[in-house]
Amino acid sequence: AQSVTQLDSHVSVSEGTPVLLRCNYSSSYSPSLFWYVQHPNKGLQLLLKYTSAATLVKGINGFEAEFKKSETSFHLTKPSAHMSDAAEYFCVVSPGGSYIPTFGRGTSLIVHP
Amino acid sequence: KAGVTQTPRYLIKTRGQQVTLSCSPISGHRSVSWYQQTPGQGLQFLFEYFSETQRNKGNFPGRFSGRQFSNSRSEMNVSTLELGDSALYLCASSFDSDRTDTQYFGPGTRLTVL
Repeated sequence: AQSVTQLDSHVSVSEGTPVLLRCNYSSSYSPSLFWYVQHPNKGLQLLLKYTSAATLVKGINGFEAEFKKSETSFHLTKPSAHMSDAAEYFCVVSPGGSYIPTFGRGTSLIVHP
Repeated sequence: KAGVTQTPRYLIKTRGQQVTLSCSPISGHRSVSWYQQTPGQGLQFLFEYFSETQRNKGNFPGRFSGRQFSNSRSEMNVSTLELGDSALYLCASSFDSDRTDTQYFGPGTRLTVL
């Protein structure tokens, strides 16, 4: 069985400051991990994914995430927040074998001017 | 390349009715997955179709069903609607159903059950 825990339901930052969205996972298999972003009234868009290659993964819009197996974490970071980053972010784990991904409950990122 | 399209975008039904939602995947994609998104339960996996076969199914009652056509387009049906079925229904497509594949999501269908 697999699970995903997004440790913060809301994160509030000021524009230009760093962003950290935390995600811990558990999986019986060597997982693939994803971060998706959802803007209001829109579908989900892939930010980045880890599939057992490099542990530091770079994504779109300046986001990156580091896979840490020992800590079972896959935290999402960005050096400098932009107003357009305000959205809901989802961490997703997809185990080996059958494709049934598990989504975290989401973290709402609020960016203040 | 056109993205994933879902029709209709908004739907209002009453309890007891049935509804059919449609999803057109990205050209060349063979896997289509359906998700239900609600404020209370978050994003939950409904089922996945690959080459016209249901490959995986989430923990939803039999009122929720789906199918996939030879052109990979998919439909999802909910019978005997309940108030709790009000949700955003998202469809996602990927080239294959390997765990490493990226899913591309449509904008969703907002279903309101009165």
